[in-house]
Amino acid sequence: EPEVTQTPSHQVTQMGQEVILRCVPISNHLYFYWYRQILGQKVEFLVSFYNNEISEKSEIFDDQFSVERPDGSNFTLKIRSTKLEDSAMYFCASKWGGQDTEAFFGQGTRLTVV
Amino acid sequence: QKEVEQDPGPLSVPEGAIVSLNCTYSNSAFQYFMWYRQYSRKGPELLMYTYSSGNKEDGRFTAQVDKSSKYISLFIRDSQPSDSATYLCAMSPRPHNKLIFGAGTRLAVHP
Repeated sequence: EPEVTQTPSHQVTQMGQEVILRCVPISNHLYFYWYRQILGQKVEFLVSFYNNEISEKSEIFDDQFSVERPDGSNFTLKIRSTKLEDSAMYFCASKWGGQDTEAFFGQGTRLTVV
Repeated sequence: QKEVEQDPGPLSVPEGAIVSLNCTYSNSAFQYFMWYRQYSRKGPELLMYTYSSGNKEDGRFTAQVDKSSKYISLFIRDSQPSDSATYLCAMSPRPHNKLIFGAGTRLAVHP
């Protein structure tokens, strides 16, 4: 069964460093999303991406964040200068283009900022 | 008022019980409703997907949407210890919009 793949599964980084979280969405999916979940809290939307551009972003997704689809298969989330409060699970999701379709999530990258 | 409200539990039931999980919401524009299951430190796994009002059944799972009351439910019949997880409701107003999640209800099914 096709699945969304995320790497790495766990990333530890020092405050102020840049991190890139990587996702391989399900092939033939057209819509891509990043969500995050701080430990013990609800899953929160960060950004959606369609047709090579951001279609929607949340207040959390400030200038420190960026997304890119560098080739036909990868979808990345970059955090330029990490803060302690960026520590969370980051989930990538993808969705086909049809009207009545659901989003499939990856297993997540646990980001720990120290 | 929160956009999506979900009792975090925990909910503890014996094996074989019928489990009822619920969410309420305030935004009448929501049309697409989902239930995800999440095991500890894993990604959400889609269980049920419903458009607008009505019921949907898949095996031991039944999802109900009552848009007039802004209330959605997930029923699990013949619950198993392997059903022990956190159950997240999620919803959106349009098919490709962001999902708004509830806080999740932690369920424990004991043998």
